[in-house]
Amino acid sequence: GQQLNQSPQSMFIQEGEDVSMNCTSSSIFNTWLWYKQEPGEGPVLLIALYKAGELTSNGRLTAQFGITRKDSFLNISASIPSDVGIYFCAGQESYVGSQGNLIFGKGTKLSVKP
Amino acid sequence: GAVVSQHPSWVICKSGTSVKIECRSLDFQATTMFWYRQFPKQSLMLMATSNEGSKATYEQGVEKDKFLINHASLTLSTLTVTSAHPEDSSFYICSARDLGWGDGYTFGSGTRLTVV
Repeated sequence: GQQLNQSPQSMFIQEGEDVSMNCTSSSIFNTWLWYKQEPGEGPVLLIALYKAGELTSNGRLTAQFGITRKDSFLNISASIPSDVGIYFCAGQESYVGSQGNLIFGKGTKLSVKP
Repeated sequence: GAVVSQHPSWVICKSGTSVKIECRSLDFQATTMFWYRQFPKQSLMLMATSNEGSKATYEQGVEKDKFLINHASLTLSTLTVTSAHPEDSSFYICSARDLGWGDGYTFGSGTRLTVV
């Protein structure tokens, strides 16, 4: 089945620094999604990408859908303490017969030091 | 935006009993809902895809007789963990597809199940 490699696994940064994380896949996805999960909560959608090469921003967050459709990155600029959480990338299965299931990366745990 | 309500948010039950978890789409109709399981410090693993009015599709290795899924209406899917055992303790999360919202996936807030 399709798998996603997400890196880094964790990051410990100073408030104000920029953050970058990425996901790569062994196969093509037609949709890439980035979620943030806080302890004891379900994931919350941050950015959705639907076209290869697409670059989309949501406030301090910017994500891009790779041209090859096998990768995506998420950048967070000027991090603040409330950015703390686990960030997941997800690709939507798109092969014939799939039901549009999401495949998740293993997550990037972000810690921000004030 | 689309909202998915999941209930209960946490539950403690005794071994051998059954637990039902509800997932409701509050402001949209969801023909497809997904159930995930998440162990501590791990990613979400898809358990099954729930389709309104038909049988759920289970991922390999997930026992359909143990994790009963019912999607009787366009706004409600339930997951029942039958004859629960301590190894079933986990964080269960549902999501629903809102085709009217850019085909977005909205997640419930999760249910922490502890089997003692």
